[in-house]
Amino acid sequence: NAGVTQTPKFQVLKTGQSMTLQCAQDMNHEYMSWYRQDPGMGLRLIHYSVGAGITDQGEVPNGYNVSRSTTEDFPLRLLSAAPSQTSVYFCASSTSGTSVYEQYFGPGTRLTVT
Amino acid sequence: GQQLNQSPQSMFIQEGEDVSMNCTSSSIFNTWLWYKQDPGEGPVLLIALYKAGELTSNGRLTAQFGITRKDSFLNISASIPSDVGIYFCAGRQGGSEKLVFGKGTKLTVNP
Repeated sequence: NAGVTQTPKFQVLKTGQSMTLQCAQDMNHEYMSWYRQDPGMGLRLIHYSVGAGITDQGEVPNGYNVSRSTTEDFPLRLLSAAPSQTSVYFCASSTSGTSVYEQYFGPGTRLTVT
Repeated sequence: GQQLNQSPQSMFIQEGEDVSMNCTSSSIFNTWLWYKQDPGEGPVLLIALYKAGELTSNGRLTAQFGITRKDSFLNISASIPSDVGIYFCAGRQGGSEKLVFGKGTKLTVNP
């Protein structure tokens, strides 16, 4: 198993540009989520999904969209990038049941918005 | 939103020393987890705790779910250089599907 994969690994955007961060998992996990990590801030939940076709907002959802058309993929869209979205983005997945909170994280996407 | 207070923020220790760190909240949590993040990588789950008072070990790591359900502790015994990294606590409140993370404890081990 490849686990949780994220692409790209690095990205530089100009203010106002849009892009999609890709996340895929091959573990047949139902639960997937996106976090952002800023220096000294820990991880903050952006959006999450409990299964295909179901998404919900996390702590910091503004400026981001998600969709979950398949179990494997959970892309994160930045509609109009802003410098405040410069961060490291992590995708995570987990199985359902009591282990749903035992999340597996991808390697991250380092995004810089100029 | 709910915050977890993790302390200390950073630790500098000698190889072979034991390490203790903790995570506290003003609210009750039903699940506590501890993750480790190496530089440039995503966090990796170390230990998950599901019951108040639970004490769980993973090699040299031991974590406890506090009796009050408002705190959790992580101990590392006989530290080695590869223990270097950032340790995060995470918790889940009852009725929530979301994890809340602490801000992390950065551990440096001097050989």
